[in-house]
Amino acid sequence: DVKVTQSSRYLVKRTGEKVFLECVQDMDHENMFWYRQDPGLGLRLIYFSYDVKMKEKGDIPEGYSVSREKKERFSLILESASTNQTSMYLCASSLIKGATEAFFGQGTRLTVV
Amino acid sequence: AQTVTQSQPEMSVQEAETVTLSCTYDTSESDYYLFWYKQPPSRQMILVIRQEAYKQQNATENRFSVNFQKAAKSFSLKISDSQLGDAAMYFCAYRGKGAQKLVFGQGTRLTINP
Repeated sequence: DVKVTQSSRYLVKRTGEKVFLECVQDMDHENMFWYRQDPGLGLRLIYFSYDVKMKEKGDIPEGYSVSREKKERFSLILESASTNQTSMYLCASSLIKGATEAFFGQGTRLTVV
Repeated sequence: AQTVTQSQPEMSVQEAETVTLSCTYDTSESDYYLFWYKQPPSRQMILVIRQEAYKQQNATENRFSVNFQKAAKSFSLKISDSQLGDAAMYFCAYRGKGAQKLVFGQGTRLTINP
């Protein structure tokens, strides 16, 4: 059974803190993604990675960075958390080729106070 | 850039009835993939159905089927014999054939009335 696991379901952090959201997949997928989900806006892509140490900016990369040191792990970093980064964060992975779906983690609801 | 639009923020339907969720997209590509995802209250996104643009036949998965109109750039989801477990957010998504990322619509919240 395929699995994408995010390290936390709920997280509360203070403004200005450095925040790490971790994601691990066990499917040997090349692609990994971080999306942000907000009501009325759907899912917006923050960053994605198609290989170890490779990354590409998505639609809303400002205020975020990522790290992919191993194929199965993709981390999202909020360098200095702000209240407007309070949101649901979803990690996903997929194969590179074909009409393959993306598999999602269970989401991390982050609140910045 | 590709965009996906779901114009119905909320829909409701009586149990056992049929409901159709709308999705339109904008692209200049001729070959691509379209998906419908379901996100129940548990938050786990689940693939409902997929369609490859070069296939004219509409995809079907049990009670779920799509109406894919390539010229109109429309990709609606029909749920037949609605069940209480179908209550969820539904997202339409697009992926270009040569691209890696999925582009999502805004989502439609579906309520099933018993």
